[in-house]
This record gives sequence, C-alpha cells and structure tokens, in this order.
Amino acid sequence: KAGVTQTPRYLIKTRGQQVTLSCSPISGHRSVSWYQQTPGQGLQFLFEYFSETQRNKGNFPGRFSGRQFSNSRSEMNVSTLELGDSALYLCASSSFGGDTDTQYFGPGTRLTVL
Amino acid sequence: AQKITQTQPGMFVQEKEAVTLDCTYDTSDPSYGLFWYKQPSSGEMIFLIYQGSYDQQNATEGRYSLNFQKARKSANLVISASQLGDSAMYFCAIRTQGAQKLVFGQGTRLTINP
Repeated sequence: KAGVTQTPRYLIKTRGQQVTLSCSPISGHRSVSWYQQTPGQGLQFLFEYFSETQRNKGNFPGRFSGRQFSNSRSEMNVSTLELGDSALYLCASSSFGGDTDTQYFGPGTRLTVL
Repeated sequence: AQKITQTQPGMFVQEKEAVTLDCTYDTSDPSYGLFWYKQPSSGEMIFLIYQGSYDQQNATEGRYSLNFQKARKSANLVISASQLGDSAMYFCAIRTQGAQKLVFGQGTRLTINP
C-alpha cells in the first residue's frame, strides 16, 4: 500500500505571496491532519479533516486554511506569507482519527519564505 | 490539555548498546494513546510503536519496546542493540479520546557512534 504523499517537496516563496500544499493519504484513510514543524516551536498541530469536514483546528491565524476532497486528499493554503511561516509542513493520515488510531506521516513540504 | 516532556535533548550511544529515551506525559483524560516517532535528517516522521492507556502489557515492535508506567505517567522507548541507522530525532506524542491531534514533545536527538 502506498504511503502518504505530499507535493511539492520544496517551495521558495516571498513575503506576501500565498502557497498551496497538497497531501494524498494512504488509501482507505479518511482522516488527514496537518502539522507545522519549526526549530523554535517544534511540532504544532494545524488542523484535521475527516470526510471533508474540519473537526479540529490548532492555534494558528486565519491565514492558514485547509480543505479535504471527497477522495480524502487534502490541501492547505497559507495566504500573505510571513518570514515566520518558513517551516516543514507535515501531513499525516489515519483511518478514523481516534486516540488509538496511528497517524502515518508523509515526507513533508519544506517551505522557505524570503 | 495534554503535555509531553522529553528531558534529554541529545544522547550519544555506542553501536550495539541498548538505549532508553525518556518520555513523561500529562493528561486528565483516562483514555489516550502514546506514540513514538523517528525523524531522520530527511524530515519524514516514521511511526515506531504505540501504547494504549488501557493496554495491560508493554508494547513491543522488533527492537523497539515501550516501558509504560501508567502511575508515573511515563512511556520510555527502549531500543535494543542500537545500529548506526538509528541516529535520528525521536519524538514522543500523545493523543487523547475525542482529540484528533497529536501533541508532541520537543524530541531527543540520538546519535549512535561506531
């Protein structure tokens, strides 16, 4: 079974631009979560989607948004990029999103904002 | 709110030795799952092992085992017979019932010396 895939793997943007990251979950997984990883803040939860509905959102500004499609693929969008948005963005999928449900991560998208 | 504490920022171990990575957690939820992930320099988070709060026995997966002490709120990862390829960042994480997110610790950087 194929793992979680994320595209693109690397992105370089300038301040003020917007960016869209894509995530394809493991086949059959309906829950997709997004995390931001930075050296200073560590791994922080952005949001989680299940069956096209956002069930939980982390403490990030409204510039960060996401969505999930009927095939469980997910996208996240960051508008009006700031230097502090430079990070590794990780997507994870799981079957149903419960506390016993293992999240499997993709390789990440490394975003650099200049 | 949930919290994970990993008190060892870095560890250096000789190849073939066993190593224990510490993890303590804090939650008031009686139902939760504890996870360990490995992150090599490539960035991808690799799932290693899971322990449920109601599990009676400590989890094991190949060379990985989890020393789960519920009363002490401790979930230490034990790697037996370490290998050079074990050099990576290791993260402990918790997920509680009803919460769709993983809460991560700050991680431990493990270096295996030949």
